[in-house]
Amino acid sequence: QVQLQESGPRLVKPSETLSLTCTVSGGSISSYYWSWIRQPPGKGLEWIAYIYYSGSTNYNPSLKSRVTISLDTSKNQFSLKLSSVTAADTAVYYCARTLYYDRRFDPWGQGTLVSVSS
Amino acid sequence: QSVLTQPPSVSGAPGQRVTISCTGSSSNIGAGYDVHWYQQLPGTAPKLLIFGNSNRPSGVPDRFSGSKSGTSASLAISGLQAEDEADYYCQSYDSSLSGYVVFGGGTKLTFL
Repeated sequence: QVQLQESGPRLVKPSETLSLTCTVSGGSISSYYWSWIRQPPGKGLEWIAYIYYSGSTNYNPSLKSRVTISLDTSKNQFSLKLSSVTAADTAVYYCARTLYYDRRFDPWGQGTLVSVSS
Repeated sequence: QSVLTQPPSVSGAPGQRVTISCTGSSSNIGAGYDVHWYQQLPGTAPKLLIFGNSNRPSGVPDRFSGSKSGTSASLAISGLQAEDEADYYCQSYDSSLSGYVVFGGGTKLTFL
């Protein structure tokens, strides 16, 4: 049973870079695609990006200029960096396994709330 | 503004049947891309409920069903139960702007 767990700072200052890591257990990261999705408090879901173990990536056009997704197969982890954050980036950030042929997300991590504030 | 449009809320009485619509366009649902549905219980991560328009993952009751036609999709929940009170999201893929994943704005299911 694959499980995902997000980790990283819960508080980030405006204009700085948000960094999160997702650790995959119960399966190898060297298959499937892996995604980041976020949900601002009280709002809906927004896909951020996904990555394949080969390094192939795809980004949400609205965030592309600020986002970097990467992967470390030796640690079975993948990561998210979001630069120049503002209060609008405050959200629960989820990582999820992604099936490329239909882009479904399953399973999801439990999510981590990241707040942007000085 | 979400690319996929869902009603903000629906309601029903225990035992009743409700449907949640998800309306897209010719660059996503209408282009043939699969629609998936997620259930998000309060304070928890979303969970895959329906994949590939109408398929249920193992463990999802057959009270939940999905369909797709043209540029829209629907989630139906029959025999409403208290534990079904949650937020529901549809998701697909859009071929515009080099292609990206899109979600509906979410629908909150409440009991009458």
